[in-house]
This record gives sequence, C-alpha cells and structure tokens, in this order.
Amino acid sequence: EPEVTQTPSHQVTQMGQEVILRCVPISNHLYFYWYRQILGQKVEFLVSFYNNEISEKSEIFDDQFSVERPDGSNFTLKIRSTKLEDSAMYFCASSSQENTEAFFGQGTRLTVV
Amino acid sequence: AQSVTQPDIHITVSEGASLELRCNYSYGATPYLFWYVQSPGQGLQLLLKYFSGDTLVQGIKGFEAEFKRSQSSFNLRKPSVHWSDAAEYFCAVGPKEYGNKLVFGAGTILRVKS
Repeated sequence: EPEVTQTPSHQVTQMGQEVILRCVPISNHLYFYWYRQILGQKVEFLVSFYNNEISEKSEIFDDQFSVERPDGSNFTLKIRSTKLEDSAMYFCASSSQENTEAFFGQGTRLTVV
Repeated sequence: AQSVTQPDIHITVSEGASLELRCNYSYGATPYLFWYVQSPGQGLQLLLKYFSGDTLVQGIKGFEAEFKRSQSSFNLRKPSVHWSDAAEYFCAVGPKEYGNKLVFGAGTILRVKS
C-alpha cells in the first residue's frame, strides 16, 4: 500500500541551526501539507502546497519556514534558524485532490537544544 | 473560528467492551469530518471520513462513526475493543473549500485492559 515516508524519524539540532525535514508523498498525489504537534498539544496545520506554490499557510508558518518540492518525489520543510519552541513532531501529508482525505507520514520528531 | 472538542482525554475500557469516543465541532457549515488514530511511534492513520450522504460511516478495523448535524457531533464507536486498539484517537474537521486544512481535536488516549 502506498504511504507517505518521512526522514529522519528523529532529528536533534542546536538552536539557531537550519534543519530540513524530508518527505516523500504518495506518488500520484498533487497536494502536500505539513503539520506539527508540540508535545502535549494539538496537531496544527502549517502549510499546504500545490502546483509548486504555497496555497495556504497558518500564522505559525512565518519567514523562518519554507517548503520546496526540489524534484518529482520529495517535499521538504526548512526551518532557517531553529528555536527551542520549534521542538515538535512534524507530519507530512499528501492527498490526490484538494477535497479528499490526506494521508500522513510517521512524522519527524525535531528536538532543538 | 473552527474548533474541535474531544472532551475525554483518557478512556479505559475492558477488552471486548464497546467503545464510544466523543467529538464535537464548531463550524459555520458542515465540514468534512475525519477520525485518525496514532499508535505509539506511528504516524496518523485515517480510520474513517464523512464527506456527505449516509451519516453513519464505516471505517477500518471495525470502527464506525455517526455524524449528527443537530448536535455538531461525530462520535467514533466500536462494538468490541481489542487490545491492539490502544492508541490515541484524533477527530479532525476540514472546510469543504480547503478540505485538507484540518483542525484537530486534542486527542483521546484509549487504554484497553485485559
């Protein structure tokens, strides 16, 4: 069964460093998303991406964040200068159409120290 | 603003017993409704969804959910719980205009005792 794959599963980084979280969406999907879940809090929408551009983003998704689809298979989330409060589980998701269910990856746990 | 409330943070049921997890939402119109499950160390797996039509929807692993417009609820049920159902369950809503800008509830942790 096709699935969304995220790497790495766990990343530890020092405050101020740049991190790139990687995702391989399901191959025939066209819509891509990032969500995050801070420990003990709700899963929150960050950004949606379609046709090589951001279609919607939340207030959380400030200038420190960027997304990219560098090739035909990967979808990345970059945090330019990490802060302690960026520590969270980051989930990538994809869907075939805008109004169909999204399939989530297993998440990348980011720890900023 | 959209919101999703899962009033039960933890629920413990005996194996073989029935289960109902509650979900209420606040939204201006009928949204798309989802239940996801997260097992330890795993991602979010879609259990079932409601888009339109029959208000009782069937999902994977023997789960079902009923959409009640009058109560703004989308409760998840299972007639007989298995130990492997122990996990965290998330209700989520998405606007029909942007189906996948999901708003999640806080989750309900299900414990199953033998």
